[in-house]
Amino acid sequence: NAGVMQNPRHLVRRRGQEARLRCSPMKGHSHVYWYRQLPEEGLKFMVYLQKENIIDESGMPKERFSAEFPKEGPSILRIQQVVRGDSAAYFCASSPPRTPTEAFFGQGTRLTVV
Amino acid sequence: DAKTTQPPSMDCAEGRAANLPCNHSTISGNEYVYWYRQIHSQGPQYIIHGLKNNETNEMASLIITEDRKSSTLILPHATLRDTAVYYCIVHNDYKLSFGAGTTVTVRA
Repeated sequence: NAGVMQNPRHLVRRRGQEARLRCSPMKGHSHVYWYRQLPEEGLKFMVYLQKENIIDESGMPKERFSAEFPKEGPSILRIQQVVRGDSAAYFCASSPPRTPTEAFFGQGTRLTVV
Repeated sequence: DAKTTQPPSMDCAEGRAANLPCNHSTISGNEYVYWYRQIHSQGPQYIIHGLKNNETNEMASLIITEDRKSSTLILPHATLRDTAVYYCIVHNDYKLSFGAGTTVTVRA
């Protein structure tokens, strides 16, 4: 049973470009969470999604950031017009439908904005 | 915000037990205690969780005090690969609140 898969593992974007981060949850998991870890800081919750629904986006910046989890395919975290401050590690986690407290994390995508 | 207090760092000798304390004096009755660790540059790894009884699995043991205001994670035989940041988190829903954790360094 493969774990949570994130790709790409490393992403370099120039200021003003768009970044798309993908996350495939573990088999049987229908809940996806995105966290961000800025350099030398702890992980911060961004958004919680179920299939085709955003449940909680209280940790998402109001502008330029969006997330989706379509019926088919991976969850996508999209950052438009990236700035240097977006450079961070972005982690995705997934959990089974009946036990949302038990989350398993992917290896993350390290975004570098140059 | 994190509801737990952990020492910022600790050292442990390889092969010895590592005891990691965590204070969570404001824990509510339906909140679980979870432990995760993050090895450098990797995603957080689930270790163990409990509500009020002590728990043990292949990775670690979790001892929760009777009043549930503190707990201890025990790594029975620390190896160099256990060097990581260990996070103690209390929650009962989907949102994990990571504090600064304890940086554990296992030395040969």
